[in-house]
Amino acid sequence: TQLLEQSPQFLSIQEGENLTVYCNSSSVFSSLQWYRQEPGEGPVLLVTVVTGGEVKKLKRLTFQFGDARKDSSLHITAAQPGDTGLYLCAGGYPRDDKIIFGKGTRLHILP
Amino acid sequence: DAGITQSPRYKITETGRQVTLMCHQTWSHSYMFWYRQDLGHGLRLIYYSAAADITDKGEVPDGYVVSRSKTENFPLTLESATRSQTSVYFCASSVPNTGELFFGEGSRLTVL
Repeated sequence: TQLLEQSPQFLSIQEGENLTVYCNSSSVFSSLQWYRQEPGEGPVLLVTVVTGGEVKKLKRLTFQFGDARKDSSLHITAAQPGDTGLYLCAGGYPRDDKIIFGKGTRLHILP
Repeated sequence: DAGITQSPRYKITETGRQVTLMCHQTWSHSYMFWYRQDLGHGLRLIYYSAAADITDKGEVPDGYVVSRSKTENFPLTLESATRSQTSVYFCASSVPNTGELFFGEGSRLTVL
């Protein structure tokens, strides 16, 4: 069974603070995606990482793919209330068409 | 508008009834997926399809049926709805080998 463990499940912090969300699996990913979901809407893709050790930046968001391609992290610098939402990681596995999601991290940034 | 469209957006039905959720995409993506989203479980894959006439089970396929006679449509049928199938259902499409999903807005189903 392929599992994606995401932590923490909930995070409530003050505006301006930094935070990191983690996504881990015992299996190697062929690629990993991070999505953000607003209430009442479908998830929207933020980034895809493919290469072990890869780092991608999207404004204040930094995404890192582990060297072994089994884990990933999302770091937000100077969080803002507009960052509030559900963050989901999803992985595709070699020789498998399925795309599996973690349970998500519900982030709340307090003004 | 181009994109992925789900219908109905909201549906209330009774236990034992058949329900079909529709999904239509205009990108001609070969891959399509159905997920359900429940509190505490995140998004769980029900069925997916690599191309027309090719479908495969995901993590939680029991109680669901899919078909894909045309590339752009991927309906999900609950043949005899149960209360445990109350959920928000999301359809998504993808280009092969990218792993990048494009989601519809979701269909909220309540089974009484």
